[in-house]
Amino acid sequence: AQKVTQAQTEISVVEKEDVTLDCVYETRDTTYYLFWYKQPPSGELVFLIRRNSFDEQNEISGRYSWNFQKSTSSFNFTITASQVVDSAVYFCALRRHGSGNTGKLIFGQGTTLQVKP
Amino acid sequence: DVKVTQSSRYLVKRTGEKVFLECVQDMDHENMFWYRQDPGLGLRLIYFSYDVKMKEKGDIPEGYSVSREKKERFSLILESASTNQTSMYLCASSPTGTIGGTDTQYFGPGTRLTVL
Repeated sequence: AQKVTQAQTEISVVEKEDVTLDCVYETRDTTYYLFWYKQPPSGELVFLIRRNSFDEQNEISGRYSWNFQKSTSSFNFTITASQVVDSAVYFCALRRHGSGNTGKLIFGQGTTLQVKP
Repeated sequence: DVKVTQSSRYLVKRTGEKVFLECVQDMDHENMFWYRQDPGLGLRLIYFSYDVKMKEKGDIPEGYSVSREKKERFSLILESASTNQTSMYLCASSPTGTIGGTDTQYFGPGTRLTVL
């Protein structure tokens, strides 16, 4: 079975704090893809990153960084020096390697991040 | 930039009405998707289309149907709207990956549907 768990429902931080959003996934596949999306108050999901299961290198993009660890089936997302504009709902998602319905995205429940000034 | 647009941001309908939600993408993507988003449940796939006139059921297809007559347009149809279909509906599109399967999905702004 495929499953994504984001145990943190809501997180509140003060601007400039660092914050980590957790994502744990379950899959029996050897080839799969992991994603993070951001959903600001406007509603549109914005693609942030995609990782495939063979690439465990951590990635940094500006204030954003991602830590992929297959040993613990986790794909955590850290925002450094958070800003008010980072306030949003963040979704982690998993996709199997395959076509048709097997290639669908499986989403976690989402984590609502509030960054206070 | 990928552009996925949805016909309405907010929609209010009455129980029993037939409802059409339209989605258009401008990137010539093969694959299109309809999800609904509910608090605490994340996004759940309703239907998926990988080509014109082709469709596959997702996790929660009951009460919905879809239509894809043109590559750029994917419609979600609620044949007889019910109050439990009040939700946020999100459309997405993706190209087919270079090694098969679907590649990264790009989302529209969503339609918040209220059924009274």
